[in-house]
Order: sequence, then structure tokens, then C-alpha cells
Amino acid sequence: NAGVTQTPKFQVLKTGQSMTLQCAQDMNHNSMYWYRQDPGMGLRLIYYSASEGTTDKGEVPNGYNVSRLNKREFSLRLESAAPSQTSVYFCASTPARGPETQYFGPGTRLLVL
Amino acid sequence: GQSLEQPSEVTAVEGAIVQINCTYQTSGFYGLSWYQQHDGGAPTFLSYNALDGLEETGRFSSFLSRSDSYGYLLLQELQMKDSASYFCAVRDIRTGANNLFFGTGTRLTVIP
Repeated sequence: NAGVTQTPKFQVLKTGQSMTLQCAQDMNHNSMYWYRQDPGMGLRLIYYSASEGTTDKGEVPNGYNVSRLNKREFSLRLESAAPSQTSVYFCASTPARGPETQYFGPGTRLLVL
Repeated sequence: GQSLEQPSEVTAVEGAIVQINCTYQTSGFYGLSWYQQHDGGAPTFLSYNALDGLEETGRFSSFLSRSDSYGYLLLQELQMKDSASYFCAVRDIRTGANNLFFGTGTRLTVIP
């Protein structure tokens, strides 16, 4: 039981490049989330998916797109990376009973030059 | 509006007790969650209070007062490994209440 996994762990991009961050969970959770965390700040929600086939914007969705490929996988895409997107990205999932108990992946550290 | 206030830093001595406070403001309150995050690591869930009172889980306890819009995390018998950031969180009413809004975190440093 791996929990929530994320790939890659680290990535360096040049401004304008695109990339997809992958997230998968093996806990049969319905809801999945993408956050970004900047130094000295809390977690800010980018997008979330309450169930397979649905996605909704969070607090900071601009510059990102997501795909809930199936119940297990939720990917985050940066179409044209900007230096302001340098951050640590966390994926999380939660059982159906509510968003309070979230299980986080190890994170992806992204640097955009 | 929606806001969470918690101290940015707290320092405490190994073996002592420390309390990390969180004051919230939200138009729709379900409960208060607490998460721990070590440097370079991922957040991990600690506790959730939906009702007033104290919830105890080992050395950690969490308290909620809905009438005061206030809660705290209490860490007893502090150990060096408790040095971490602690975040309180509430449901985010702005985006449909199906997700959490996190505070900016309290960095706890435990000293010998």
C-alpha cells in the first residue's frame, strides 16, 4: 500500500516549457487535490476533484489544468511555465466522509528559470 | 471573508508543554483540522475537532471553542522530533466547502 505517490520529485523548467505532474493513490479515495506551497506560506489549493470525472477550481487555478484520468490518478499540467510557478506541489486525497482528513504525497519541487 | 490566524513561530524546551493557537473567521464552520509538516516533508493529519472540547491522541491534544472561534493544539512531553510546522485548517467556503483552507503555519522549534 503506497498511499499517495507523485512524480517527478524534482524538476527544472525554462520559462515557457510545459510539463505534467503525476499523482496516484491506491486507497480508493474519491476526492483528490493539488496544492502549491511557497516559502513561509500555507498550502493553497489549485484544483480539486470530488469524484472521477469531475474537477473544480481552487484558490489559485490560473496557469494550470488538471485531468482526473480515473479514480486513482489526478494530473496537473503547466502549459507554459512561468517563474511565479516555482513552488512545491503536493497532491492529496481523502475518503468520501469529508475533506478534513487528507493524505498527502511526498511533493514535487519545481524550479522555473 | 475567511481567515485563519496562528503565531508564526514558537520555541519550547524538550520535555515541556506547548500550545499553538488558531483563531478562525469563516461564514460556514464545520470543524478545525490540524496538520504537521517537517522540513522537506509532506503534511500529515493530526486531529480534527467538530465539536467543542478537548480531543486527546497520545501526547497531542486539540481543543475547540466554537463560541470563541478559537482552537489550539497542545503538545505534551515535547521531543526534538516535534520540531516542525503546524497548520490549522477549516473548510473553504469560497470554493464550495469540499476542500480545506489552510493557515500559514506555526513553526515549532524544540530546544534541548
